[in-house]
Amino acid sequence: AQTVTQSQPEMSVQEAETVTLSCTYDTSESDYYLFWYKQPPSRQMILVIRQEAYKQQNATENRFSVNFQKAAKSFSLKISDSQLGDAAMYFCAYRTGGADGLTFGKGTHLIIQP
Amino acid sequence: NAGVTQTPKFQVLKTGQSMTLQCAQDMNHEYMSWYRQDPGMGLRLIHYSVGAGITDQGEVPNGYNVSRSTTEDFPLRLLSAAPSQTSVYFCASKEGWRSYGYTFGSGTRLTVV
Repeated sequence: AQTVTQSQPEMSVQEAETVTLSCTYDTSESDYYLFWYKQPPSRQMILVIRQEAYKQQNATENRFSVNFQKAAKSFSLKISDSQLGDAAMYFCAYRTGGADGLTFGKGTHLIIQP
Repeated sequence: NAGVTQTPKFQVLKTGQSMTLQCAQDMNHEYMSWYRQDPGMGLRLIHYSVGAGITDQGEVPNGYNVSRSTTEDFPLRLLSAAPSQTSVYFCASKEGWRSYGYTFGSGTRLTVV
């Protein structure tokens, strides 16, 4: 079974600074997808960014980018120019290419200090 | 376009009672799934469906039943609620097998006393 590990239960960063959230995963599959989801206090799950395993180029969405290290099975999220609205729980998730359903990590609580 | 609608948003049950959590989507998505979220945990997959009439178990299926009679609806049934089923439940859908984007509902907070 695949596992996703987020080793940082909580992170704190000053507004406008950069923060990196860590995620590692374990799989024997070659075709898979990785995601970062944001969950604000409203409870809504919001897709932040995704990465296809077959793509070597790291995904980028505005202030959000990933560092995908396939051999190391690492998938970190970098948030640049942190904003107060970025404060939330962040979940790393994995999906095998041939199956449905996401496997989530336990999450990282991101605090933005004004 | 409402997306994924879950009802109710909050529910309190007594141990042994039964209930159905409703999930409906209006995007004609093939795939629908149910997750539960417990404190300190990420979401865990309960059941999923790849189309009308087809369902399968996820990581934590015990105590839950599902059926998919239409594309739009994917209800989750608790036949005899237990305190261990106290959780926040999320329904999610996506368009097809290779689709990346899951659309989540806003969740149902269930408390079993």
